[in-house]
Amino acid sequence: EVQLLQSGGGLVQPGGSLRLSCAASGFSVSSTAMSWVRQAPGKGPEWVASLFSNGVNTQYPDSVRGRFTISRDNSNNTLYLQMDSLRVEDAALYYCARGLCSGPFCNSGRGMDVWGQGTTVTVSS
Amino acid sequence: IVMTQSPATLSVSPGDRATLSCRTSLSVASNVAWYQQTPGQAPRLLIYDASTRATGIPVRFSGSGSGTEFTLTISSLQSEDSALYFCQHYNNWPLAFGGGTKVEIK
Repeated sequence: EVQLLQSGGGLVQPGGSLRLSCAASGFSVSSTAMSWVRQAPGKGPEWVASLFSNGVNTQYPDSVRGRFTISRDNSNNTLYLQMDSLRVEDAALYYCARGLCSGPFCNSGRGMDVWGQGTTVTVSS
Repeated sequence: IVMTQSPATLSVSPGDRATLSCRTSLSVASNVAWYQQTPGQAPRLLIYDASTRATGIPVRFSGSGSGTEFTLTISSLQSEDSALYFCQHYNNWPLAFGGGTKVEIK
């Protein structure tokens, strides 16, 4: 079965760090584009980071660039999001998601077709 | 690119048609996806490339549009279609989602 199982998250003080993990099963994270998306309560989703299928190229919105880092470990088939210098406004439910890709190279995919269950990040003093 | 969805809430009787709109501030060609989200669940991909149904999506869901105007249509609303619906573009960076339309069963 194709699925993404998330872990990490929790409560952190402003300025602190957290690392989210997203373990894939049923497919290889190395074969596709992967992204992180967050959603604050009552809001629409917000894209946070993408890792291209080549495992090298990344993209971030201005709101997190320089503070968040997306990466993957092919041997563990796991995607990560390292979040540093966290702000109150980063608090949200964070999802990892697989890009719908065709072909050997994929940047974001044509939508996101597999999602993790979500993990909550709370930033508060 | 700003994604604007309308209406914010749509109340539809079972068996009736529901039409949801998504407008982009710049052209995104046909690079739009639609998602359904029920309470406590992750979004579920319904449509990609503006009009292609994702795997396992019922035929009552259809998408149309290109450029800056997009529509998601649920041809005959079922009770299980009560949910939030979001559009997303993937034409360029940054990716963006709309604010959503809540579909209620009347």
